[in-house]
Amino acid sequence: QQQVKQSPQSLIVQKGGISIINCAYENTAFDYFPWYQQFPGKGPALLIAIRPDVSEKKEGRFTISFNKSAKQFSLHIMDSQPGDSATYFCAASKPGAAGNKLTFGGGTRVLVKP
Amino acid sequence: DSGVTQTPKHLITATGQRVTLRCSPRSGDLSVYWYQQSLDQGLQFLIHYYNGEERAKGNILERFSAQQFPDLHSELNLSSLELGDSALYFCASSVWRDTQYFGPGTRLTVL
Repeated sequence: QQQVKQSPQSLIVQKGGISIINCAYENTAFDYFPWYQQFPGKGPALLIAIRPDVSEKKEGRFTISFNKSAKQFSLHIMDSQPGDSATYFCAASKPGAAGNKLTFGGGTRVLVKP
Repeated sequence: DSGVTQTPKHLITATGQRVTLRCSPRSGDLSVYWYQQSLDQGLQFLIHYYNGEERAKGNILERFSAQQFPDLHSELNLSSLELGDSALYFCASSVWRDTQYFGPGTRLTVL
């Protein structure tokens, strides 16, 4: 059962454009939603994260929008740069004694053309 | 650099063999998580240790096991290896339920 669905699988955007990646989740117990960026040959690195009590969070050119009723959240990359070309993963976790295991979406490969 | 170290970086072995992957968490982090990344399954949670105790298991095969030592480093043991075990294996560390910092990964190739 895929608990976090991510789309699109890949996207191409021109330099300066906006990249938008969407995720939908099923488990309403999830309370932490991070986005990770991964370059080839590297481990995922946290980009930005949000909790359900906030509808939007912005850090530099990266913005998360969160819609609790629709169980959806999205990443917007403004003014996309060639250095943003990477694979992006959304994830979710829920509270509990088991800690903070992350359930990941399938990933989106972003290519920013100069 | 996340501060999480993993060794070895690459591992090539044959089917039926056993390997050990090592992870050293960031200084001060008590939690270690192991994830498997493959082309068809994406990033999958395997197991979580907190301060030496197993806290959660995910899609971890019975052929796989892990432990966290008193110095907080962790090892993931993979035995009776199959071709399908070829993947990237990441460990991540955190203080508890906050941000997870991922290591550079170990690429396992089973021939």
